[in-house]
Amino acid sequence: GENVEQHPSTLSVQEGDSAVIKCTYSDSASNYFPWYKQELGKRPQLIIDIRSNVGEKKDQRIAVTLNKTAKHFSLHITETQPEDSAVYFCAAIPANQGGKLIFGQGTELSVKP
Amino acid sequence: ETGVTQSPTHLIKTRGQQVTLRCSSQSGHNTVSWYQQALGQGPQFIFQYYREEENGRGNFPPRFSGLQFPNYSSELNVNALELDDSALYLCASSLGQGASTLNTGELFFGEGSRLTVL
Repeated sequence: GENVEQHPSTLSVQEGDSAVIKCTYSDSASNYFPWYKQELGKRPQLIIDIRSNVGEKKDQRIAVTLNKTAKHFSLHITETQPEDSAVYFCAAIPANQGGKLIFGQGTELSVKP
Repeated sequence: ETGVTQSPTHLIKTRGQQVTLRCSSQSGHNTVSWYQQALGQGPQFIFQYYREEENGRGNFPPRFSGLQFPNYSSELNVNALELDDSALYLCASSLGQGASTLNTGELFFGEGSRLTVL
């Protein structure tokens, strides 16, 4: 079955710096890759997603890139702010298993003022 | 438009007991998925319900069961609770496109029910 690996597990950056989180997946037929942000004690919230027919997507300070050949996708946050501090999860949906998100292990991002 | 709501928010049970968790899906959504999130881990897929039928199941034993009602709300039942069942249980709703077709719609999560098993 699908397996999603996420790195790093923790990431500390200075305010204003960029942060990059990387994920790899195993099922080449997976075609939907969302990223979720989860603050302490809160629900996961979708921040950006990308489908397999697109290589890159950007939304203000957040961007996601997808390399289908290498089976990896990355989250890029530019001009980080203290409120970006949270746990970020990548996920993938295996082929023909709609709604079954396979999550990575999470990255705890800390943005220091 | 109302979001996904879950109840109860917190509960404590003892080993061997049974628990029922409830979820109301976002208005207009017909698909509900349940996830278990242990402390410091990513959510793990338990199962999904579409139009009142189970539509996909993760690697969880049969003592994890569920229901979906005509109004698309859902319940998660766990029998014979074990200590390792202690976790945050998340419900997510989405707009499905059919039980056998790929649903790549965005999932909206509830705030979760935090279960502690003593």
